Amino acid sequence: DIVVTQSPLSLPVTPGEPASISCKSSQSLLYNNSYNYLDWYLQKPGQSPQVLIYLGSNRASGVPDRFSGSGSGTDFTLKISRVEAEDVGVYSCMQTLQIPFTFGPGTKVDIK
Amino acid sequence: QVQLQESGPGLVKPSQTLSLTCTVSGDSISRGTYYWSWIRQPAGKGLEWIGRILASGTTEYNPSLKSRVTISVQTSRNQLSLTLNSVTAADTAVYYCARGGGGDATLHYWGQGTLVTVSS
Repeated sequence: DIVVTQSPLSLPVTPGEPASISCKSSQSLLYNNSYNYLDWYLQKPGQSPQVLIYLGSNRASGVPDRFSGSGSGTDFTLKISRVEAEDVGVYSCMQTLQIPFTFGPGTKVDIK
Repeated sequence: QVQLQESGPGLVKPSQTLSLTCTVSGDSISRGTYYWSWIRQPAGKGLEWIGRILASGTTEYNPSLKSRVTISVQTSRNQLSLTLNSVTAADTAVYYCARGGGGDATLHYWGQGTLVTVSS
């Protein structure tokens, strides 16, 4: 199985400030079609996960442009340009290159 | 707007079978364009992908669960189902159904989830 790790696991943030989360995979997620098979999800308190970024860097429909995804191969980053109070929750990355799809452990983001 | 709703028993005894249903609205499973997945999340832990199915019946499972899990579709009722045999306390989790994208495995739409507790 492809192992996906994240850091940090806990991230206190200040509204208006930037924030970033790292995701690393045990194998390259870059396929020969030039897409990276790595998605980012946010699970707000009491809610189901929602997709933020898919295929490494594509913002999902309705996702604010303060969220961006970057990286390639085995190293990826989710950035929030200016954190808002509604951004609190657990952020998880997921690889969809190889069955079984696997998730990172999650990064809990809360307000300082 | 695509909506998914999980349903099923909230309590299952050890060694018995867990059975859940996901009812889809706003889309037709029989269109065959998308994969429909099941994911679970034990309390306080990360997400685990269980498996997925196409309307044609093509399935893919997590090898760690493959011997115990079956995912099926009932296109006439626009539902998908999950059965997990020989459950133990380790199978206690919130179970989600989700729909993938047209050309990717991204889980674009999720149900609200249903908690299943395995206990005698």
